[in-house]
Amino acid sequence: SQQGEEDPQALSIQEGENATMNCSYKTSINNLQWYRQNSGRGLVHLILIRSNEREKHSGRLRVTLDTSKKSSSLLITASRAADTASYFCATLTGANNLFFGTGTRLTVIP
Amino acid sequence: SQTIHQWPATLVQPVGSPLSLECTVEGTSNPNLYWYRQAAGRGLQLLFYSVGIGQISSEVPQNLSASRPQDRQFILSSKKLLLSDSGFYLCAWSQTGMADTQYFGPGTRLTVL
Repeated sequence: SQQGEEDPQALSIQEGENATMNCSYKTSINNLQWYRQNSGRGLVHLILIRSNEREKHSGRLRVTLDTSKKSSSLLITASRAADTASYFCATLTGANNLFFGTGTRLTVIP
Repeated sequence: SQTIHQWPATLVQPVGSPLSLECTVEGTSNPNLYWYRQAAGRGLQLLFYSVGIGQISSEVPQNLSASRPQDRQFILSSKKLLLSDSGFYLCAWSQTGMADTQYFGPGTRLTVL
């Protein structure tokens, strides 16, 4: 399947530290997205990286993509308590199917 | 700006009862619309998507159905709920041809007892 899988499943860090989450997928992609979900809420689109890009930045977020390894990483620098959430990678299968991984649960301790 | 609404926010229903969850989008026209289900502590599972009025694609055979009676309205239904239908249901929209960037509603927490 096209499923993305994140690791670690759970991550706990101190405020101010950096958090790195990884995602692996199985087939060729045109792009990969990262989403955030606060507990019991909908998902928020964070960043999209295209298959011809290797790195992309948005504020404190840095995403890398290695298509040869079929993997991506999301780095959150100088984490804050408000960054506590689950983070999902997603890839498009077919024209309309966005396939989500199982997510990394990030806890930032104040 | 575009907004997406879902209701109800929470719902507790007995096994065998019907279900109707509604999703509406404002501020855009002819969006793609999606229904997802998220089990506790899990990723999202795409249930249905629609590229236009009356056009529904089902991704997972199950006890649920979807309808799109208006351009910006998407309804998830069931005639008889099962215990396994419990979960967090999320509606999302995207611009036509841009399914890789989806915008999610706040979700409905469904508990079937």
